[in-house]
Amino acid sequence: AQTVTQSQPEMSVQEAETVTLSCTYDTSESDYYLFWYKQPPSRQMILVIRQEAYKQQNATENRFSVNFQKAAKSFSLKISDSQLGDAAMYFCAYRNDDKIIFGKGTRLHILP
Amino acid sequence: TAGITQAPTSQILAAGRSMTLRCTQDMRHNAMYWYRQDLGLGLRLIHYSNTAGTTGKGEVPDGYSVSRANTDDFPLTLASAVPSQTSVYFCASSDSPAFYTDTQYFGPGTRLTVL
Repeated sequence: AQTVTQSQPEMSVQEAETVTLSCTYDTSESDYYLFWYKQPPSRQMILVIRQEAYKQQNATENRFSVNFQKAAKSFSLKISDSQLGDAAMYFCAYRNDDKIIFGKGTRLHILP
Repeated sequence: TAGITQAPTSQILAAGRSMTLRCTQDMRHNAMYWYRQDLGLGLRLIHYSNTAGTTGKGEVPDGYSVSRANTDDFPLTLASAVPSQTSVYFCASSDSPAFYTDTQYFGPGTRLTVL
């Protein structure tokens, strides 16, 4: 069965600094998608970035980028130039066919 | 556009009572989903629908039922609520019925407390 692990329940970063959130997953499939979602205090889930497993190039969205290591089954999220609005819970998710599995989340604190 | 709306925002329900959580999307997305979010357990898929008229079971379907009579609406029903169903419920939708190619858009959530 597929699993998604976020080993950091909480992290803190100074405003304007860079932070990396880790995510590892386990699957026997070769074709799948990976996502990072952000959940601010408003509770709504917001898609941050996604990565197709068949693409070697790491996805990038403005200040957000991923380090996708398929062989290691690792999918970390890097947030550059952290802003106060980045404070939220971040969830890593794996999708394949009719399965979607979420990690338990990492709470990110931004220190002014 | 509103995107995805959920109602109610929050609800306190007596155990044994039934309740329907409503979800409506105006993006004409084919696929819709229901998740529950519990502290320490993250998000878990309850039921999904690839397209109007079809539904499927997710990771934790027991105690819940869904219907998809049209594209826009995907209600989640608890026939006889139990305290373990206390959770925050999220509805989501995606454009493509091909699960692994699409992006999901989430509603604001419904906080349900079963006493």
